Amino acid sequence: AQSVTQLGSHVSVSEGALVLLRCNYSSSVPPYLFWYVQYPNQGLQLLLKYTTGATLVKGINGFEAEFKKSETSFHLTKPSAHMSDAAEYFCAVRRGGADGLTFGKGTHLIIQP
Amino acid sequence: ETGVTQTPRHLVMGMTNKKSLKCEQHLGHNAMYWYKQSAKKPLELMFVYSLEERVENNSVPSRFSPECPNSSHLFLHLHTLQPEDSALYLCASSQEGTLAGEAQFFGPGTRLTVL
Repeated sequence: AQSVTQLGSHVSVSEGALVLLRCNYSSSVPPYLFWYVQYPNQGLQLLLKYTTGATLVKGINGFEAEFKKSETSFHLTKPSAHMSDAAEYFCAVRRGGADGLTFGKGTHLIIQP
Repeated sequence: ETGVTQTPRHLVMGMTNKKSLKCEQHLGHNAMYWYKQSAKKPLELMFVYSLEERVENNSVPSRFSPECPNSSHLFLHLHTLQPEDSALYLCASSQEGTLAGEAQFFGPGTRLTVL
């Protein structure tokens, strides 16, 4: 069985500050990990993914995430927050193949001016 | 624009109505998915179709009936729904094959309200 835990349902940072959204996973097989962003009244947009290879993954909009197997973590970071980053962020895991995604509960990112 | 469209975007229905949600992907993918997003629960996988065959059904009540007539289209037929079925229904697609870990691309969702 797989599961995803996102620590903090709401995270608030100041514009220009570091963004850190936490994700821990459990999986019985090597996982494939994803971060998605959801803006109000929209579907999910892929930010980045980890499959194999380099553990530091760069995504769109300046976001990146590092896969740490020993910590079973896949935290999302961005060096400098922008007002447009305010949204809901979801971490997800899948086993591979035509397998559905298992999502965390999401983290609502608030950007303070 | 992700290449996955969903219609309608909003739907209000009574408990005795029958309606259908439609999803179309323009990405040439071979797998499609239905997810449910409700206010108080994480995103839940409902159905998976790969090469037009249903490969997963996550204990979804029979009042939800999926249909995948071809690799580009996916439907979710709804009948005698309950108010707790009110949610955002998201469709996704992916290309599955020898490369594992392919990402899923989501449509904008259908906001369903059951009265």
